[in-house]
Amino acid sequence: GAGVSQSPRYKVAKRGQDVALRCDPISGHVSLFWYQQALGQGPEFLTYFQNEAQLDKSGLPSDRFFAERPEGSVSTLKIQRTQQEDSAVYLCASSLDRDSGNTIYFGEGSWLTVV
Amino acid sequence: AQSVTQLGSHVSVSEGALVLLRCNYSSSVPPYLFWYVQYPNQGLQLLLKYTSAATLVKGINGFEAEFKKSETSFHLTKPSAHMSDAAEYFCAVSDRGSGTYKYIFGTGTRLKVLA
Repeated sequence: GAGVSQSPRYKVAKRGQDVALRCDPISGHVSLFWYQQALGQGPEFLTYFQNEAQLDKSGLPSDRFFAERPEGSVSTLKIQRTQQEDSAVYLCASSLDRDSGNTIYFGEGSWLTVV
Repeated sequence: AQSVTQLGSHVSVSEGALVLLRCNYSSSVPPYLFWYVQYPNQGLQLLLKYTSAATLVKGINGFEAEFKKSETSFHLTKPSAHMSDAAEYFCAVSDRGSGTYKYIFGTGTRLKVLA
């Protein structure tokens, strides 16, 4: 597709359940980012991939969060044993390369509610 | 470390009035600066960016922003507000040329346009 595609758009998970969020970046984009946006807040950096390499995962809040991009295109963010504080919008973004002046293009987000 | 401060979490203007959304940054090196807009239930869309060319940057939908190094500011303006401008606006900063790639976002300013 023309833009960054994320699925599912909405997910309700019971506390303790594992969830997987998928991101399909713009074709050919080398850089891929995951951000977490809590209600009323700005996006907070989670992790960054350059192709299949995860170069920075410093923003992942705990070891329950795991991200992968095995073939350098589609990425999955997995959250194990979800907790209520994980409720947020998870935004995926991609950019052409790692030049930090490049525009990053965001998907519409995956809205996670943990009940 | 980079940071962004957006003054005013909520701004209300009358239709046709000037829009001014404030952003101040902190960065150890000259940064790249961005303004993004987020409509309800959507991802972030780039309005404009500063990457060291002209200090006055023009973006989409009639918005512009001026980079002022002496004031460490990158305020967003629009001469005449439209109802369709009602949204959340985020300022973001990224260090240039250092190999870093994190975009740090402010907490956002919600713009309300009054008829």
